Amino acid sequence: GAGVSQSPSNKVTEKGKDVELRCDPISGHTALYWYRQSLGQGLEFLIYFQGNSAPDKSGLPSDRFSAERTGGSVSTLTIQRTQQEDSAVYLCASSAGDRDREKLFFGSGTQLSVL
Amino acid sequence: DQQVKQNSPSLSVQEGRISILNCDYTNSMFDYFLWYKKYPAEGPTFLISISSIKDKNEDGRFTVFLNKSAKHLSLHIVPSQPGDSAVYFCAASEAGANSKLTFGKGITLSVRP
Repeated sequence: GAGVSQSPSNKVTEKGKDVELRCDPISGHTALYWYRQSLGQGLEFLIYFQGNSAPDKSGLPSDRFSAERTGGSVSTLTIQRTQQEDSAVYLCASSAGDRDREKLFFGSGTQLSVL
Repeated sequence: DQQVKQNSPSLSVQEGRISILNCDYTNSMFDYFLWYKKYPAEGPTFLISISSIKDKNEDGRFTVFLNKSAKHLSLHIVPSQPGDSAVYFCAASEAGANSKLTFGKGITLSVRP
């Protein structure tokens, strides 16, 4: 596609439910990142993929959070047993990843609200 | 611990005047800095960047200045236009960090017509 696509754009869920957020990166981009932005905060790094592997998962806040990437393309971020503090905008970004200092291209994000 | 700090949450300027957005950082390993612009309901978009080997980078109306000794950078927009009204994020990365960025909290810029 022309840009990074994320779905759904909005998700409202009840505390304790599991949610899956999807990211379609720019075609051919090997690097993929997940960030989240809580109200009044900056973008917080969650996880980085190079191809299908995740060499940096250091930002995942707890073991309720997991992510995978298949075929070097689509990525899914899963949050189990959601809590109210998980409410945030979850942003996905991709880059060509063939050299350092690639700028990131972001999707529009998924607004997650946990009631 | 905020490694990238944007201490002013908002800025309002008159159209045609200069906008100066400030950013401070604490991690001395950062060697590449970027500014991203974000409109409501959209993802951040890249605006301008600067490497630590430079102290200035200019692109049209946008100039970024870097003061390494003070661990401070600023984005100048001149002349400011109403369409520049958005949230501006300062971001930084370390060498070998695979473009992983550390972001500040953002500054909301309002340009008054």
